[in-house]
Amino acid sequence: TQLLEQSPQFLSIQEGENLTVYCNSSSVFSSLQWYRQEPGEGPVLLVTVVTGGEVKKLKRLTFQFGDARKDSSLHITAAQPGDTGLYLCAGVVNAGNNRKLIWGLGTSLGVNP
Amino acid sequence: DAGITQSPRHKVTETGTPVTLRCHQTENHRYMYWYRQDPGHGLRLIHYSYGVKDTDKGEVSDGYSVSRSKTEDFLLTLESATSSQTSVYFCAIREYSNQPQHFGDGTRLSIL
Repeated sequence: TQLLEQSPQFLSIQEGENLTVYCNSSSVFSSLQWYRQEPGEGPVLLVTVVTGGEVKKLKRLTFQFGDARKDSSLHITAAQPGDTGLYLCAGVVNAGNNRKLIWGLGTSLGVNP
Repeated sequence: DAGITQSPRHKVTETGTPVTLRCHQTENHRYMYWYRQDPGHGLRLIHYSYGVKDTDKGEVSDGYSVSRSKTEDFLLTLESATSSQTSVYFCAIREYSNQPQHFGDGTRLSIL
């Protein structure tokens, strides 16, 4: 069974603080996706990282894919209340003629003003 | 936003009754998925479709069936609902196998 462990599960911080969320696995992924989900809505894709060691930036969010393509991290600089939500990572594996997603359980982030 | 509509958005029903959830897309995407999301379990794939009348099981398919008679519609049926199927159900679509998935806003289903 392929697992993607996400940590921490819950995080409550003050506005302006920095934070890092981790996704770790023993499996190698062809790529890894990060999603953000707000209450009452479906997950929305933030970024896809494909190459080992790749770093992508999206405003105050920095995403990194591990060199071995088994792990990834999301770093938020100077968090704002609008960053509050559930952050999900999903590793992509090839499965025949379809690509399978292995989902982490998510990190619930609360940013207090 | 991707054109995905899930209906109903909320439903409360009793154990043993049949329930059908609908996912409608306006994007003409090939792939469609049904997930359930539960605390402590995250998103789990129930069934998926890779074309009209082409469907396959996911990791938690027991007690669920699906149908896709048109590109735009993917139906999820609980033949005889049980309390363990109380959950939030999400539909997702994808154009090509190497593209990310786009999700609907979910259906909150409560089975009493």
